[in-house]
Amino acid sequence: EVQLVESGGGWVQPGGSLRLSCEASGFTFSGYRMTWVRQAPGKGLEWVASVEEHGGDKSYVDSVKGRFTISRDNAANSLSLQMNSLRPEDTAVYYCGRGLTRIDYWGQGTLVTVSS
Amino acid sequence: QSALTQPPSASGSPGQSVTISCTGTSNDVGGYNYVSWYRQHPGKAPELIIYEVSKRPSGVPDRFSGSKSGNTASLTVSGLQAEDEADYYCSSSAGSNNLVFGTGTKVTVL
Repeated sequence: EVQLVESGGGWVQPGGSLRLSCEASGFTFSGYRMTWVRQAPGKGLEWVASVEEHGGDKSYVDSVKGRFTISRDNAANSLSLQMNSLRPEDTAVYYCGRGLTRIDYWGQGTLVTVSS
Repeated sequence: QSALTQPPSASGSPGQSVTISCTGTSNDVGGYNYVSWYRQHPGKAPELIIYEVSKRPSGVPDRFSGSKSGNTASLTVSGLQAEDEADYYCSSSAGSNNLVFGTGTKVTVL
């Protein structure tokens, strides 16, 4: 059974940092591009970042470029999102997902709150 | 990277059909056959119901169908059921491994 489990969310002050993790199981992790998607409270889905199967090619939404870094550890079946210089508008539930144009499995999400 | 445009709401009675549009540009919806649709129940993660414009993942009933014409993609839910009351989002490739989501549509089963 495919499972994606996010962790690392919490409360942080503006300008602070957080590192999200997503532990994958039930499939060959190294065979899939992986993606982070976020959803602000009461709002729609927003694609955040994606990384190709071997971790080389990475892409980001403009609003997080230079602040967020996506990475993966295929040996540990793990996806990460390092978030620096956080802003109140980054407050959201962050989901990791398998794939990009077709996100066929999603984690349960982890809430990040950026507030003073 | 502007969001794709969806109607805020749609509704239908049980057994009826509802169609949701997703309008983008030639740089996303119109330029790629990588449109997906997701259903999201309150407090839950999204679930994939259509990919590559009109393909259904295993386990998704054929009540769900997708299509595309020009810069607009559409999702039709036939034979509406109570469980179809949810938020629906489209997504499209925007080139260079970028993705854009739609603004979302709340479907109400009357």
